[in-house]
Amino acid sequence: GENVEQHPSTLSVQEGDSAVIKCTYSDSASNYFPWYKQELGKRPQLIIDIRSNVGEKKDQRIAVTLNKTAKHFSLHITETQPEDSAVYFCAASWNTGFQKLVFGTGTRLLVSP
Amino acid sequence: DTAVSQTPKYLVTQMGNDKSIKCEQNLGHDTMYWYKQDSKKFLKIMFSYNNKELIINETVPNRFSPKSPDKAHLNLHINSLELGDSAVYFCASSQEERLAGVLYTGELFFGEGSRLTVL
Repeated sequence: GENVEQHPSTLSVQEGDSAVIKCTYSDSASNYFPWYKQELGKRPQLIIDIRSNVGEKKDQRIAVTLNKTAKHFSLHITETQPEDSAVYFCAASWNTGFQKLVFGTGTRLLVSP
Repeated sequence: DTAVSQTPKYLVTQMGNDKSIKCEQNLGHDTMYWYKQDSKKFLKIMFSYNNKELIINETVPNRFSPKSPDKAHLNLHINSLELGDSAVYFCASSQEERLAGVLYTGELFFGEGSRLTVL
């Protein structure tokens, strides 16, 4: 069945360090992989996404990489700041005739000053 | 100017009661969703509507009944509330995109969430 695994579940880093979150998906037909950031008490918001026709995408301090063969994709945050502290969700599209997004279990990132 | 708005933001009620949550989007999207986020923060899709038609119905108890009067609105009614229904319910909308002949799910825009507490 549809499944997106996400690791780690929690990640603590010092300000200025890099953070990497990894996800694995099961449907080889998945073609869209967004990452959402959810701050405490707020709604999830898209921070970056990647489609299956590219292997990497970067937007300032965040980047996403996709390995279609291994069905892995990762979020990389460089020069982390305290305001990066949040729960991050990966997701993968699942084609059931109509596409839907299946979310990973989330990673709580804590950036300490 | 809110893109996806849902009401109420908070609901506290007794077991056995019936409650509704309303959602509206002004983005012109064709697809709307209900997601449930439990205490462990897992985001699980419940229902999806495309142009008022139900297209995704996950294994949700039939006490939950979505209704979409038009493509801009998707409401959720819950009968006979149980303790396990306590969660944050997020409405969302998206618009599929076709690029180079390939259909992609569009970005999900979430509402602020409705925190339901069943006592």
